[in-house]
Amino acid sequence: DAGVTQSPTHLIKTRGQQVTLRCSPKSGHDTVSWYQQALGQGPQFIFQYYEEEERQRGNFPDRFSGHQFPNYSSELNVNALLLGDSALYLCASSLDRSAKNIQYFGAGTRLSVL
Amino acid sequence: GIQVEQSPPDLILQEGANSTLRCNFSDSVNNLQWFHQNPWGQLINLFYIPSGTKQNGRLSATTVATERYSLLYISSSQTTDSGVYFCAVANYGGATNKLIFGTGTLLAVQP
Repeated sequence: DAGVTQSPTHLIKTRGQQVTLRCSPKSGHDTVSWYQQALGQGPQFIFQYYEEEERQRGNFPDRFSGHQFPNYSSELNVNALLLGDSALYLCASSLDRSAKNIQYFGAGTRLSVL
Repeated sequence: GIQVEQSPPDLILQEGANSTLRCNFSDSVNNLQWFHQNPWGQLINLFYIPSGTKQNGRLSATTVATERYSLLYISSSQTTDSGVYFCAVANYGGATNKLIFGTGTLLAVQP
């Protein structure tokens, strides 16, 4: 049973560039959430996708956007990168109709913006 | 929104010692998860425990929902227990279950 997979594992970009991160949910899951974890802090919710729609968004600017595909995989796009976007980006998947709604996380993509 | 506080922020133990980590939250929740983040950043699920008590090997957790706190117990600690422990909660009265994380407890187990 494949868990949540994310790619790439590491990424280095320069200010102003754009980046796309990818996530495949755990088998059987239909909901994908994205989180940003800055060094020394807990993860912060970016947004959640269900049925190919953004269902809820955290306190992040419009430079952060996403997409969910019919196979439930998802992408996170960040435009006009800032130094402060350097962080570990985590993807979590869950099953919407489950009463427990447990979220499972991937290993993350570590983004460095120079 | 819900506030989550974890204590202690840091903990150093000798191998074999026991420890208790605490998570306080400011509102009622219907999801509470404990995670262990390893040195490579992977968040590993430990418990889903919005209420009650669960045990898994050397780890156990208790959530007292009416008093808005949860405890994670680690017994006979091993060096592989080192890392950051996060408590995360959600209150999905609506459609989503976004998790709100605490700031974590950094545990170092020395041989």
